[in-house]
Amino acid sequence: EAGVAQSPRYKIIEKRQSVAFWCNPISGHATLYWYQQILGQGPKLLIQFQNNGVVDDSQLPKDRFSAERLKGVDSTLKIQPAKLEDSAVYLCASSLESTLMWYGYTFGSGTRLTVV
Amino acid sequence: AQSVAQPEDQVNVAEGNPLTVKCTYSVSGNPYLFWYVQYPNRGLQFLLKYITGDNLVKGSYGFEAEFNKSQTSFHLKKPSALVSDSALYFCAVRDLGAGNKLTFGGGTRVLVKP
Repeated sequence: EAGVAQSPRYKIIEKRQSVAFWCNPISGHATLYWYQQILGQGPKLLIQFQNNGVVDDSQLPKDRFSAERLKGVDSTLKIQPAKLEDSAVYLCASSLESTLMWYGYTFGSGTRLTVV
Repeated sequence: AQSVAQPEDQVNVAEGNPLTVKCTYSVSGNPYLFWYVQYPNRGLQFLLKYITGDNLVKGSYGFEAEFNKSQTSFHLKKPSALVSDSALYFCAVRDLGAGNKLTFGGGTRVLVKP
């Protein structure tokens, strides 16, 4: 099966600019996650979608970050305006779930954002 | 809230020697535990998971992990390390609250020297 696709792979922007990241999950995976991984740290969940609804966005800095998954498939994560501390790798993951089992995550390769 | 701790920032081992990467966890209820590996400029790759059953879990690339409930640990092991095992390793625990999210440890860098 095709993996989780993310684009772009790399992005360099100046502080106060805006940026958007795109994720296409594995076909049929209802749950989609965006994680932020700052250099030297473990990934931290930003937002989780179940189909096109938000399950958890408690760690999303909503004054500057936004995310959507309008048709329950692709998702976009946006930062506006960016700060230096937003420099990180943004990882998208998807998972397949049923009432009986949870099959774990599949991660994309990530987007490395550098804010200068 | 669930949490995991990886007490070592880096582990150095000679090629051919056993490799151990430590992880301890804190959960309410039964733990669902995972190990992921991250190579440079790549996403996280699944290695193995413990949900229930045998305390020794076998995973990809010759890795295994031992679940120890009394010590709340889930250490990753490989009997004979390869240079190609040099990477960043993350332990994670599944949060059985809303949504099955994974909470990750801070990561351990493994350096295998020839």
